[in-house]
Amino acid sequence: EDQVTQSPEALRLQEGESSSLNCSYTVSGLRGLFWYRQDPGKGPEFLFTLYSAGEEKEKERLKATLTKKESFLHITAPKPEDSATYLCAVQDQGNTGKLIFGQGTTLQVKP
Amino acid sequence: EPEVTQTPSHQVTQMGQEVILRCVPISNHLYFYWYRQILGQKVEFLVSFYNNEISEKSEIFDDQFSVERPDGSNFTLKIRSTKLEDSAMYFCASSFDQFGAFFGQGTRLTVV
Repeated sequence: EDQVTQSPEALRLQEGESSSLNCSYTVSGLRGLFWYRQDPGKGPEFLFTLYSAGEEKEKERLKATLTKKESFLHITAPKPEDSATYLCAVQDQGNTGKLIFGQGTTLQVKP
Repeated sequence: EPEVTQTPSHQVTQMGQEVILRCVPISNHLYFYWYRQILGQKVEFLVSFYNNEISEKSEIFDDQFSVERPDGSNFTLKIRSTKLEDSAMYFCASSFDQFGAFFGQGTRLTVV
């Protein structure tokens, strides 16, 4: 059964203090791994797609990396506006587009 | 920028009543989905829909749920005889190529 586990559940950073969020996954055959940002009371907002081990994607202060068992979302010099819940999801091969989500990491960046 | 639109943003209903949640997916997308998120819990897959048929549904998507694409732009989720445990955020999502998805802002359903 496909499974996604994110850690830590919550993370508090000072503005400018870099850190990483982890997403561990178990999937029969990975078609893609996705990172989303979710603000309170809102829908998930797409950030990155990663397809294969070794791949990296960057967007502003965020960089996502992928290995065969996990993905990291690195946040460099975060700002208060980066405060949100970051969701990781996987899609396996042969399914109908279904995404399996982790429980998310809630990031708070203090000025 | 194209987006998935959901209405209403908040729906309050009496237990046992029927509700219809509405979505307008991104216009050139072909694959449509419903997910739900109970407060404090994971986003959970409900159903995927393609070519006017359900492609896959989860165990949650039992006989009280149904989906429909009544015209070329709308995609609906109907919940018959709502229960207290149906209270959640319901997200519609769409994709062009069955890979990943773009999500709407959600409908908060409160069953009282």
